[in-house]
Amino acid sequence: DAGVTQSPTHLIKTRGQHVTLRCSPISGHKSVSWYQQVLGQGPQFIFQYYEKEERGRGNFPDRFSARQFPNYSSELNVNALLLGDSALYLCASSFQGGDNQPQHFGDGTRLSIL
Amino acid sequence: QKEVEQDPGPLSVPEGAIVSLNCTYSNSAFQYFMWYRQYSRKGPELLMYTYSSGNKEDGRFTAQVDKSSKYISLFIRDSQPSDSATYLCAPGGDDMRFGAGTRLTVKP
Repeated sequence: DAGVTQSPTHLIKTRGQHVTLRCSPISGHKSVSWYQQVLGQGPQFIFQYYEKEERGRGNFPDRFSARQFPNYSSELNVNALLLGDSALYLCASSFQGGDNQPQHFGDGTRLSIL
Repeated sequence: QKEVEQDPGPLSVPEGAIVSLNCTYSNSAFQYFMWYRQYSRKGPELLMYTYSSGNKEDGRFTAQVDKSSKYISLFIRDSQPSDSATYLCAPGGDDMRFGAGTRLTVKP
């Protein structure tokens, strides 16, 4: 079975631009979470979606938004990009997104802001 | 104080050594505990998952949780060069929190 897939794998943008990152969860998984991982740090939680509803939001500005589609895939959008947004953006899926559901990660989108 | 503290290393051991990786957390609401392994330029890979105090063994890996002292450990027996990676502890409750990761190198 395919794991979590993310696209694109790499992306270069300039300050002020907008970016959309995409994620397809493991087949049968209904919950998707997004994380930002800066070099040398652990992943930081951005959003969790379950059945197209937002279930959780981390401490990120409103420039970050996300949505989940009926097929459970998801998009992360970031507006007005800043240099500090350069990071690896990870998507993780789980079956239900409840407290005891282990999350499985994709290999991420590496975003570079110039 | 960070919610999850993890010694960043780097940690270098010879092949065959027993490796001990440790993590402390501050939020007593955390109910389940995971260890992930992350190779360079890859996403984290789930290694161990437990939600009770005590030990859980899977092959060469043993996860140990002590909720009373908020202390999590991962032991790797007979370490191999292929174990060279960054290891992330991730306690969770309503959502998951990650440590900064410990970078491990196993030398042949």
